[in-house]
Amino acid sequence: DIVMTQSPDSLAVSLGERATINCKSSQSVFHRSSNKNYLAWYQQKPGQPPKLLIYWASTRESGVPDRFSGSGSGTDFTLTINSLQAEDVAVYYCQQYYSTPFFGQGTKLEIK
Amino acid sequence: QVQLVQSGAEVKKPGASVLVSCKTSGYNFTTSGISWVRQAPGQGLEWMGWISVYTGNRNYAEQTQGRVTLTTDTSSTTAYMELRSLRSDDTAVYYCARTDYRSGWYYFDFWGQGTLVTVSP
Repeated sequence: DIVMTQSPDSLAVSLGERATINCKSSQSVFHRSSNKNYLAWYQQKPGQPPKLLIYWASTRESGVPDRFSGSGSGTDFTLTINSLQAEDVAVYYCQQYYSTPFFGQGTKLEIK
Repeated sequence: QVQLVQSGAEVKKPGASVLVSCKTSGYNFTTSGISWVRQAPGQGLEWMGWISVYTGNRNYAEQTQGRVTLTTDTSSTTAYMELRSLRSDDTAVYYCARTDYRSGWYYFDFWGQGTLVTVSP
């Protein structure tokens, strides 16, 4: 399995500020033939299912606000949330789909 | 709009089986795949397996392989997950999620609301 490790486990950010969540894979999830990174990001609010935010490491899902962005390649990835809003409080997960799907342990985002 | 609506909460005894359904609508069910993901209380997300509605192919995670069976009914656009020989550590919310029909190794763009399965003596 390609194991995903997120950092930090939790963070608190002031409203209007930037939040940065990191995700590291135990092996590269870059597929040379497709020239794509097989990495997605999800947001999960309490009592709700996960919601897809980003796929192919940097492609924003339809309807997701543009303050959410994904970057990185190979083994190191970042989810950035600019101008944090109150409704962004959630747990965020990265997921690799280069092989058997595996999720990171989650990062809990709170308001400072 | 795309919707996946799951069956209601279940309480089972150890050793029993559970069948969770996932009724889909709003898209072409036959050219899709369905994955199942579970989440133990207060824990993260664990992929359990995938079925291609289009080809009938299946992949299962090692952790539950041998105890889980995924099926679909194209006439009712419904997917099913059966988990047998239940143990206390199978207590979790079980989610179905839409994914690609070609491979279980993909992202999940729409999710069901979740079904809580509680295993208790």
